[in-house]
Order: sequence, then C-alpha cells, then structure tokens
Amino acid sequence: SQKIEQNSEALNIQEGKTATLTCNYTNYSPAYLQWYRQDPGRGPVFLLLIRENEKEKRKERLKVTFDTTLKQSLFHITASQPADSATYLCAFYSSASKIIFGSGTRLSIRP
Amino acid sequence: GAVVSQHPSRVICKSGTSVKIECRSLDFQATTMFWYRQFPKQSLMLMATSNEGSKATYEQGVEKDKFLINHASLTLSTLTVTSAHPEDSSFYICSARRTGKAEQYFGPGTRLTVT
Repeated sequence: SQKIEQNSEALNIQEGKTATLTCNYTNYSPAYLQWYRQDPGRGPVFLLLIRENEKEKRKERLKVTFDTTLKQSLFHITASQPADSATYLCAFYSSASKIIFGSGTRLSIRP
Repeated sequence: GAVVSQHPSRVICKSGTSVKIECRSLDFQATTMFWYRQFPKQSLMLMATSNEGSKATYEQGVEKDKFLINHASLTLSTLTVTSAHPEDSSFYICSARRTGKAEQYFGPGTRLTVT
C-alpha cells in the first residue's frame, strides 16, 4: 500500500538554527508533495507544494526539496524562531486522488 | 484568499443525539471537499470525499449511515454525526480543493465531545 513516513516524531532545535524535516514515501511515485503546518487544536495550514519535476522550492525562510530517486522530500526552516514551533505534515495525492498524510513531526524551537 | 470556515468550533452533545458540522469555502468554489477526523497526537484520517451534486465517497471502515455528508453547493458541505456515541468524540476537520487546483485548504476544525 502507498505509505508516507515522517521519521522524526519530534525535533528540538535551538533558535536561529536550520530545522530539517524528512518525509519518505513508498509504493508510489506522486506527481507532487505538499507540506502543511498544524498548531494544536487547529486545522492544517498549507505551506508549499512541490512537483516531481521541481528539485527545490522556496518561500521566505522555507525550502522544500523533492528527490524522486530517493523517494524523499526534505523541508527546511532557516533562521528558526520559537513561533515556528508546530507540527509539520507532509502529504501526497495517492493514485486514487486522495491525500495521504504523514504522521507529522512536532518541531520545538527553544529560545 | 482560500479561506475555509467550520461551524461550530466546539460542540458537546449527549449520547444518541445527532450533530451537524458545516464546512464553507468563503472566497472560492470547491467542487470537492474532504472530511477528516483526528485523534490526539495522530495524523488526519480521511473519512470521506464530498463532491458537489453527487454522493460522497466513504473510506473503508467509515459508516456512511452514521456520518451523513451533503455537498449541496460549491461552497458548502455538511457532516452529520447521527446517534453519536462517546467513541465518536474527536476533532473533525474539513478541507476544500479549489476547482482545478491541487492544494487543499483546511477549516479550523470542530471539537466534538459526546457525553
């Protein structure tokens, strides 16, 4: 079955450092991957979408890469701030046109 | 743009009663809306896909007679939890996909507590 895995349940880093989150997928070759941010008790907020023919995409302090050979997407937050603390979800559209979410990585930025 | 609202944000109901949750796309038309539920510290689980003007498609294991979905217009989908039980207590989130686009935009969620 198509699976998406975020191998870190939690990540704690120092303010100002770059946070790197990993998302791996199996048994499928998605045309694009998406990254969302979710705060406690809130719905996910769309951040970035990257297509399979795009190696990298940036938005302000965010950067996403998509390696179709490794079947992996990396999500980077540069110059991290305590306000970046949240759960980050990766997701892709399955062959049945449904979004499959990873379990999320809970990122904590300490001052 | 791309704002999705949900109402109510929180609801407490007694076991055996029914609860309706509304999901609206405020500034765009959404041919397709999705309903998810999320348990604490877990990811979102897709319950059903709602298409305007047609019947919803339910995921395996989701009872269609218990979770009634209606997508009557391009901006509104409703989820009714019928004969609610305490195990239905969860965080319900809807999302809407702009017609012709890949991104989904999520509502703020509805916290349902069944006593």
